Amino acid sequence: EAQVTQNPRYLITVTGKKLTVTCSQNMNHEYMSWYRQDPGLGLRQIYYSMNVEVTDKGDVPEGYKVSRKEKRNFPLILESPSPNQTSLYFCASSLSSPQETQYFGPGTRLLVL
Amino acid sequence: GQQLNQSPQSMFIQEGEDVSMNCTSSSIFNTWLWYKQDPGEGPVLLIALYKAGELTSNGRLTAQFGITRKDSFLNISASIPSDVGIYFCAGQPTGNQFYFGTGTSLTVIP
Repeated sequence: EAQVTQNPRYLITVTGKKLTVTCSQNMNHEYMSWYRQDPGLGLRQIYYSMNVEVTDKGDVPEGYKVSRKEKRNFPLILESPSPNQTSLYFCASSLSSPQETQYFGPGTRLLVL
Repeated sequence: GQQLNQSPQSMFIQEGEDVSMNCTSSSIFNTWLWYKQDPGEGPVLLIALYKAGELTSNGRLTAQFGITRKDSFLNISASIPSDVGIYFCAGQPTGNQFYFGTGTSLTVIP
């Protein structure tokens, strides 16, 4: 089944404790992206990747890192999480650009205490 | 960053009614897309628009790419209970960054 998977689905952590949210797609898509969703703000793009080893900042990249060592994986790293990073995070992928259909993962709900 | 303002913010309608929502941006967009998010799920693409003035339908849904390229509209005809969810406009100005609107929450009362 074609899908985007994220892990973990729920995470509670404390300020400053490094964490990684994994994202994997099995559709051989070139484009992958991370978004955060906050009430009243919609989804905001954090980072995106046009292909392996090619990543770029989205609208709200501060406090986040990403890597794209393999085509299928696009982990999101929070080196030192803070409470303002409490949010719902979505990973998405599309064939080659965001103008095409983006397929979203199920979301990761993060709480930073 | 870009601001995509959607209105209305929320709607409560009777089943069978038609729905209209719109999205405006502060700058010109090259692509407009409309996504729907069901509770507890990620967004799913409904309609994609690639040319100014383009009018596209998908079943009971119709969307238009505004002539000014700074707005887009989504209409849903004869709403049904499964239309409940949050509708997001989204798009791409120049470059590869991608933006979502603030969302319109739709509630359909049977």
